[in-house]
Amino acid sequence: EIVMTQSPATLSVSPGERATLSCRASQSLTSNLAWYQQKPGQAPRLLIYGASTRATGIPARFSGSGSGTEFTLTISSLQSEDFAVYYCQQYSNWPLYTFGQGTKLEIK
Amino acid sequence: EVQLVESGGGLVQPGGSLRLSCEASGFTFSSYWMHWVRQAPGKGLVWVSRVTGDGSGTIYADSVKGRFTISRDNAKNTLYLQMESLRAEDTAVYYCVRDVSSRFDPWGQGTLVTVSS
Repeated sequence: EIVMTQSPATLSVSPGERATLSCRASQSLTSNLAWYQQKPGQAPRLLIYGASTRATGIPARFSGSGSGTEFTLTISSLQSEDFAVYYCQQYSNWPLYTFGQGTKLEIK
Repeated sequence: EVQLVESGGGLVQPGGSLRLSCEASGFTFSSYWMHWVRQAPGKGLVWVSRVTGDGSGTIYADSVKGRFTISRDNAKNTLYLQMESLRAEDTAVYYCVRDVSSRFDPWGQGTLVTVSS
């Protein structure tokens, strides 16, 4: 099983600033990684797939990078609606998909 | 608009059974693999099971293998999860998810299953 590790567990950032979230895989994924956003009481929403491709309707301030075992989600200028929990997910080892434990992005 | 609507959750005693349903609309249901993903209260996302478009191929997480059965009725555009021998640790919100080239999009709103005496 591929283990996904996200850091930090909680990130405190002020609105308008940049946020950088990390995700590490226990083995190489090439680019088979997705990012999801989950707000309280809501279902997750796909943000990024293929490590760096934004899903339909996702604002350009969200960007993904990385390959192999190290990945990053960057939010360039935080808006109030961006404070949420973010999960990475590997689909390299399909059909056994695994998620990271999540990073909570909170207002500083 | 692509939409997934789950139903069937509720309170069940340990050892009991429950069947979840997920009604799909806005896309050609039979063309897509479908998944169930769960989230225990205050915890992260855990993949549970997947079924292929024609229903012939299924796979399960080890934690539910032998107890849960995923299936689909393409004529009714509906995905199912039959859950048997339920345990307290199965308590979670269960999400129905469409597989688009291995990425999960969209997700249903979820249905809560509580296993407790």
